[in-house]
Amino acid sequence: QQPVQSPQAVILREGEDAVINCSSSKALYSVHWYRQKHGEAPVFLMILLKGGEQKGHDKISASFNEKKQQSSLYLTASQLSYSGTYFCGTGSYGGSQGNLIFGKGTKLSVKP
Amino acid sequence: DVKVTQSSRYLVKRTGEKVFLECVQDMDHENMFWYRQDPGLGLRLIYFSYDVKMKEKGDIPEGYSVSREKKERFSLILESASTNQTSMYLCASSFDRAGGNEQFFGPGTRLTVL
Repeated sequence: QQPVQSPQAVILREGEDAVINCSSSKALYSVHWYRQKHGEAPVFLMILLKGGEQKGHDKISASFNEKKQQSSLYLTASQLSYSGTYFCGTGSYGGSQGNLIFGKGTKLSVKP
Repeated sequence: DVKVTQSSRYLVKRTGEKVFLECVQDMDHENMFWYRQDPGLGLRLIYFSYDVKMKEKGDIPEGYSVSREKKERFSLILESASTNQTSMYLCASSFDRAGGNEQFFGPGTRLTVL
């Protein structure tokens, strides 16, 4: 079952912040975040493997609440280059190693 | 740099044709994946393979088969293409390790079935 991402779409002005959420009905051992720009392949941003873990990548960071089966992606001081569709991919217990279930994506548009 | 290549960027086929989509990776990854991407539905896993000649069904395997004869190559086969298989097809690969399996994606093949 696909994880649920929210919001489906968000429009920001440069410099504004955004949060994208990913929620699963299954117990998770990992959450991946990817960004896909229009017409391009998805590109890996980060993996979170432990409950409560937070990781950062420039001004993009993420948290993973294993108990709530949720992850959030934080984009601070957004730049035009952040525009794209963000996908979370979840690895759950009982699934095959390496196999991810992706959400439907959140489309982020950053305007000047 | 990790490279995942797909045989075609665009492909147009007729209903009933047999279609082969090829994917090659150059990083000696154990895992390889085929996804289809449709607007509003995200990435849905069709099949994946964790070793040569090994395969497992993903969420939407109906109408598809796969072949992995060599570690670097993973083929997706549409035995008899139908219009509802018109989609973007993405191949990905990753190492098989417990510490985390970043997936590297190919550029995609946009398949149109007429």
